[in-house]
Amino acid sequence: SQQGEEDPQALSIQEGENATMNCSYKTSINNLQWYRQNSGRGLVHLILIRSNEREKHSGRLRVTLDTSKKSSSLLITASRAADTASYFCATDGEAAGNKLTFGGGTRVLVKP
Amino acid sequence: ETGVTQSPTHLIKTRGQQVTLRCSSQSGHNTVSWYQQALGQGPQFIFQYYREEENGRGNFPPRFSGLQFPNYSSELNVNALELDDSALYLCASSLFNRGREQYFGPGTRLTVT
Repeated sequence: SQQGEEDPQALSIQEGENATMNCSYKTSINNLQWYRQNSGRGLVHLILIRSNEREKHSGRLRVTLDTSKKSSSLLITASRAADTASYFCATDGEAAGNKLTFGGGTRVLVKP
Repeated sequence: ETGVTQSPTHLIKTRGQQVTLRCSSQSGHNTVSWYQQALGQGPQFIFQYYREEENGRGNFPPRFSGLQFPNYSSELNVNALELDDSALYLCASSLFNRGREQYFGPGTRLTVT
């Protein structure tokens, strides 16, 4: 079963716009990570936010974490056509021992 | 590039056959995890290997088995293939420590006919 659920399942935006996607999870976590996947290839790690952190930035990426609501959001600012990909959140649970539990992903299409 | 390699890239097998997939971890990483990703879904954890022993397993039957070698590379073996085993198989290497990001290989696309 999937721990995280991403919302929306798909997102279509124009180049230059911001893209926001959300992730909800069910159990306590050590950290939450976001990954990108292009066309069914390997996953690329984007950012990791620990359970005691509330916000983190990396370049055009901004991640928030609300452990009281068991949710996280990923914001991509000033999107580019190259940002077209599927984005997954993954949780590393307290009892999971470095096993990642992924959500179903958000498919983002950035139109030039 | 993550430095994690997988072979083969694509594979077609017949139901009932056996398959072995291979993964070389990133230099310095001592842990390998395997994931199955069905089309249109997120990856599902199969199992993890650390120091050549299985260290955690997801909800997969015993016909999914693995090995880790002294150089930390790993194999995933699947016996008695079923049509539902068709998926992208991803391996990820990391350091054995909670809270570490994992570095994924490009995957092996397995098709079972």
